Amino acid sequence: GNSVTQMEGPVTLSEEAFLTINCTYTATGYPSLFWYVQYPGEGLQLLLKATKADDKGSNKGFEATYRKETTSFHLEKGSVQVSDSAVYFCALSDNTGNQFYFGTGTSLTVIP
Amino acid sequence: DGGITQSPKYLFRKEGQNVTLSCEQNLNHDAMYWYRQDPGQGLRLIYYSQIVNDFQKGDIAEGYSVSREKKESFPLTVTSAQKNPTAFYLCASSIDPGQPQHFGDGTRLSIL
Repeated sequence: GNSVTQMEGPVTLSEEAFLTINCTYTATGYPSLFWYVQYPGEGLQLLLKATKADDKGSNKGFEATYRKETTSFHLEKGSVQVSDSAVYFCALSDNTGNQFYFGTGTSLTVIP
Repeated sequence: DGGITQSPKYLFRKEGQNVTLSCEQNLNHDAMYWYRQDPGQGLRLIYYSQIVNDFQKGDIAEGYSVSREKKESFPLTVTSAQKNPTAFYLCASSIDPGQPQHFGDGTRLSIL
């Protein structure tokens, strides 16, 4: 079946540090991959996406590359800010498009 | 501005009561979804609907019911059969299945 596995948090970083949040997936066929961000008390917002192998999604300084050979979609940012503190979810959409599968989320706290 | 509106933001239920959570979207999206979010468990799919007057069970549909009488509305009823209803409930929509989902700000349900 389809599933997404994220690195467990919480993650605490100092401002301007480099961020990596690992995400690996299991899927049949060719899924689309997504990163969502959730700020406290709010719903999820789409951060970036990639729809085929070797695609790189990017937004607001965050990047993730769809790696089919390693079934991974790791989220990276070169220099985090306090405002990046949130919970980050990796997700995939299977090739039927009927369902999304979400990881358990990784909480990030950035301290000044 | 287009978006998804969930109401109320906080809801309290007495034992044995049914409660209905509202979800309205003005994005003209065909597909709508209900998720339950518990700490440390990510998002779990309750029900989804790809078109008006049609909906499908997700992974945890027991104790919940939905309707899709209008394109813009997808209310969720938490019935008394749901023995552990305390959670954060998120509604989402997408232009069609497989495309990125847009989320509301959620409803937090608690038991009195």
